[in-house]
Amino acid sequence: KNQVEQSPQSLIILEGKNCTLQCNYTVSPFSNLRWYKQDTGRGPVSLTIMTFSENTKSNGRYTATLDADTKQSSLHITASQLSDSASYICVVSAWGGANNLFFGTGTRLTVIP
Amino acid sequence: SQTIHQWPATLVQPVGSPLSLECTVEGTSNPNLYWYRQAAGRGLQLLFYSVGIGQISSEVPQNLSASRPQDRQFILSSKKLLLSDSGFYLCAWGVLVGGNNEQFFGPGTRLTVL
Repeated sequence: KNQVEQSPQSLIILEGKNCTLQCNYTVSPFSNLRWYKQDTGRGPVSLTIMTFSENTKSNGRYTATLDADTKQSSLHITASQLSDSASYICVVSAWGGANNLFFGTGTRLTVIP
Repeated sequence: SQTIHQWPATLVQPVGSPLSLECTVEGTSNPNLYWYRQAAGRGLQLLFYSVGIGQISSEVPQNLSASRPQDRQFILSSKKLLLSDSGFYLCAWGVLVGGNNEQFFGPGTRLTVL
């Protein structure tokens, strides 16, 4: 069964600190993995996308890693800012077709001053 | 560049009333279009997707329906809303690039059914 699981469910950190969010998946055949940031009441916005051959991708203070062997990904946020407060959603795509995305339930990150 | 619009942004409707949410995409042709619902604290649930005008695939049985009257217009409807229809509705457009399904989301509509 194709599934995407994220942990933790929620996280509170102090401004300026680093944090790491986890994503485990069982999607097959694997095509790519994306991390989205969703601000409250807004649509998700893509942060990074990684294919099978990529094991790290950065976007500013966001760095995503992918281990296709263990089917795990992480999103590392460096020097967190208050604006990083949002839900972070891991989405895994299987090959082919128009309906082949599998969504995690997200990690709710709150950055406090 | 491509943009996706949804309206209204928020909606409060009584139980049993009809619903019509609209989504339009600009700057692309023949996109795949999707309707998702996101309940509070839950993940995104795919409701409908369309690969072309008049072509609708339903993912979950419910009292909602979708239509695609034009290439870049996707409408989500209901004849009689239920309390359980409350949620955050997201429209997305996507394309298949080399087998990779890229999707881009709209700003969403917050629906509250009272």
